[in-house]
Amino acid sequence: NAGVTQTPKFQVLKTGQSMTLQCAQDMNHNSMYWYRQDPGMGLRLIYYSASEGTTDKGEVPNGYNVSRLNKREFSLRLESAAPSQTSVYFCASSLQGGYGYTFGSGTRLTVV
Amino acid sequence: GENVEQHPSTLSVQEGDSAVIKCTYSDSASNYFPWYKQELGKRPQLIIDIRSNVGEKKDQRIAVTLNKTAKHFSLHITETQPEDSAVYFCAATDQTGANNLFFGTGTRLTVIP
Repeated sequence: NAGVTQTPKFQVLKTGQSMTLQCAQDMNHNSMYWYRQDPGMGLRLIYYSASEGTTDKGEVPNGYNVSRLNKREFSLRLESAAPSQTSVYFCASSLQGGYGYTFGSGTRLTVV
Repeated sequence: GENVEQHPSTLSVQEGDSAVIKCTYSDSASNYFPWYKQELGKRPQLIIDIRSNVGEKKDQRIAVTLNKTAKHFSLHITETQPEDSAVYFCAATDQTGANNLFFGTGTRLTVIP
């Protein structure tokens, strides 16, 4: 039982490059989330998927897209990376809504 | 959406003393308030939570209090130990429909041996 698995753990991109962050959970959770963490700003919600087949914007969705591939997997895509997207990205899942989030181990992304 | 404010941003205490972290929220309909602990380089982990129908909850050295009228809630850590040193985040649910969590900006707690 791995919980929430994120890949990669570290990534360096050049401005304008694209990449996809992967997230998978094995807890049969319905809801999945992508947050970014920046110093002094806490965790801010980028996108979420309340249930399989649905996705919605969070607080800071600009520059990102997501795909809920199936119940287990929720990916985050940066189409054209910008230095402002340098951050630590966390995927999380829950059975339903905000109750009992489990976080992945994070992806540290640097855009140069 | 929900707006959660957290204070202080940094807190240093002597080992054995108590630590208190305070949060306020904006959405009066919020009904769930968890606290997460994040050690350096690690993922946030849930340490305690409280629902709106309860005023206080304790788990060993950790307690959370909730004042719904004033829209604030607090984390209390007693008999602090060096392993309590971490960043602590409060959060509240957004009642717009999805019950997503909105987080405070975090408090870096340092326990001095």
